Amino acid sequence: AQSVAQPEDQVNVAEGNPLTVKCTYSVSGNPYLFWYVQYPNRGLQFLLKYITGDNLVKGSYGFEAEFNKSQTSFHLKKPSALVSDSALYFCAVSFITTSGTYKYIFGTGTRLKVLA
Amino acid sequence: DGGITQSPKYLFRKEGQNVTLSCEQNLNHDAMYWYRQDPGQGLRLIYYSQIVNDFQKGDIAEGYSVSREKKESFPLTVTSAQKNPTAFYLCASSITGGSAEAFFGQGTRLTVV
Repeated sequence: AQSVAQPEDQVNVAEGNPLTVKCTYSVSGNPYLFWYVQYPNRGLQFLLKYITGDNLVKGSYGFEAEFNKSQTSFHLKKPSALVSDSALYFCAVSFITTSGTYKYIFGTGTRLKVLA
Repeated sequence: DGGITQSPKYLFRKEGQNVTLSCEQNLNHDAMYWYRQDPGQGLRLIYYSQIVNDFQKGDIAEGYSVSREKKESFPLTVTSAQKNPTAFYLCASSITGGSAEAFFGQGTRLTVV
């Protein structure tokens, strides 16, 4: 079955340190990959996506993500974390189904806590 | 302002009742989605639609129904057959083709009383 995995329920990092939030996927073909952020009791906001080309993609608020096809991973990174980055982060993939429609599925989410 | 609007923000349902959650978008998107969010389980896909008058079941469609009579609207009905409906429900839309990011509404929190 097609799936997205975020192996860490929570990541703690000190303010100013680099952060990484991990994501791996199991999807046949060539999926599109996304990261979203969610603040309490709100919808999700788009951060960045990988479609094709350069494996390092840059997005909103200084976030970037590295696509690794051989490891089927798409880890989210930021060189210097801010307290305001504390939120719930979701990895997502979009892929074409056997019926020809695109399906959009999400991981379980990783709570990022940046400590002052 | 363009966007996606979910209503109501909070909804209470009695046992055995059907309730309908509204989702409207003015982004001219063809694709729309419904997700359920539970703590520790992330977002699970209930139903999705790529075009008017057509929709597909997601991973947890049992106990839910949808319609897509207009491009702008994708209402979700939580039926009495859904045994554990208490959750946060999110609607999203995107342009079709798979490579576009989704835009999300602010969510509806449904509680069974």
